[in-house]
Amino acid sequence: NAGVTQTPKFRVLKTGQSMTLLCAQDMNHEYMYWYRQDPGMGLRLIHYSVGEGTTAKGEVPDGYNVSRLKKQNFLLGLESAAPSQTSVYFCASSTAGPNTEAFFGQGTRLTVV
Amino acid sequence: GENVEQHPSTLSVQEGDSAVIKCTYSDSASNYFPWYKQELGKGPQLIIDIRSNVGEKKDQRIAVTLNKTAKHFSLHITETQPEDSAVYFCAASSSNYKLTFGKGTLLTVNP
Repeated sequence: NAGVTQTPKFRVLKTGQSMTLLCAQDMNHEYMYWYRQDPGMGLRLIHYSVGEGTTAKGEVPDGYNVSRLKKQNFLLGLESAAPSQTSVYFCASSTAGPNTEAFFGQGTRLTVV
Repeated sequence: GENVEQHPSTLSVQEGDSAVIKCTYSDSASNYFPWYKQELGKGPQLIIDIRSNVGEKKDQRIAVTLNKTAKHFSLHITETQPEDSAVYFCAASSSNYKLTFGKGTLLTVNP
């Protein structure tokens, strides 16, 4: 079992460029999440999805968009990258919401210059 | 919204000693309190969790206690080993589909 797989692992973007981060899970989980991790800030929720075709805003959604067209995939898009979006991004999934164990991917380190 | 405070931010112990990390939360409706361990270059991994109807839970060298009245919960690691060195996050969740994390504790176990 691969669990939760994130693509890519590292990326450097120029300010204003766009990109999509892909998250794939093979555990048939309904819930999926995108977090960002910054030094001294812990993990902050960007967007989440409670099922295929649904998305919702988290704590820090500005500058990001998401899509969940297939149950196993959750895409995070940056339309016009800014240096403030330099961070490590983690995708996670769970069976039945935040009151159950979340399984995290290995992270994507994004640098915006 | 929920606010989770975690202390200390760094903790250094000698191998074999105990380590305690404390968290407080603000939302009295929170009912699920997991602890995650993050090793360098990896994603967080659940090590233990506790629900609001339980006061204490143990799993080998790891234990978590919950005081609902005071709205705080703690992670206890006994007989620490070098492989326990990592960043530990507490979190709290209520029914609004959000898991709020503390800012993390860097635990270093010195051989």
